[in-house]
Amino acid sequence: GNSVTQMEGPVTLSEEAFLTINCTYTATGYPSLFWYVQYPGEGLQLLLKATKADDKGSNKGFEATYRKETTSFHLEKGSVQVSDSAVYFCAPRTGGNTPLVFGKGTRLSVIA
Amino acid sequence: DAGITQSPRHKVTETGTPVTLRCHQTENHRYMYWYRQDPGHGLRLIHYSYGVKDTDKGEVSDGYSVSRSKTEDFLLTLESATSSQTSVYFCAISPGLAGDTQYFGPGTRLTVL
Repeated sequence: GNSVTQMEGPVTLSEEAFLTINCTYTATGYPSLFWYVQYPGEGLQLLLKATKADDKGSNKGFEATYRKETTSFHLEKGSVQVSDSAVYFCAPRTGGNTPLVFGKGTRLSVIA
Repeated sequence: DAGITQSPRHKVTETGTPVTLRCHQTENHRYMYWYRQDPGHGLRLIHYSYGVKDTDKGEVSDGYSVSRSKTEDFLLTLESATSSQTSVYFCAISPGLAGDTQYFGPGTRLTVL
């Protein structure tokens, strides 16, 4: 089955710092890759996704590139804001009946 | 926002009592999922459904059962709640193809005393 490894948190950054959250995955076939974000007290919402190798997903200043050769999908943002404080989840998904499998999540705290 | 509601949003119950959580969608999506979220474990899949009356187990299905008699409703039942089932439960839906997004509900916080 699919699995994912995310860097351990929590990650604490100052506002306007550069962010990288590492994610590597194991999956059969050719998965789609997702980053979800969970703000305090809320459910998960899609941040970005990529459906094939070398695709770059982007949203709200966040980016991640589907690297098939290294089975990675690292999340990056050039300048974080306090409002980016949340838990971030990486997840691969292959087709058919396979649900998303989530990593443990990485908690990001951005301080002013 | 995808039309997903969960009820109740909060529940406190006692060990040994039955509990049913409801997920309702207005998107007519084929797939529905139940996850639990616990500190240090992220989200773990309990059960999912790929159509009316079609369900399958996830990685933490022991102690839980599900039913889906209509496209829009997916019920999660704890037959006899235990303290280890204290958690936040999330429902999710998706149309069903590999590249499709899963949309999540707001969650139900369950406390078993």
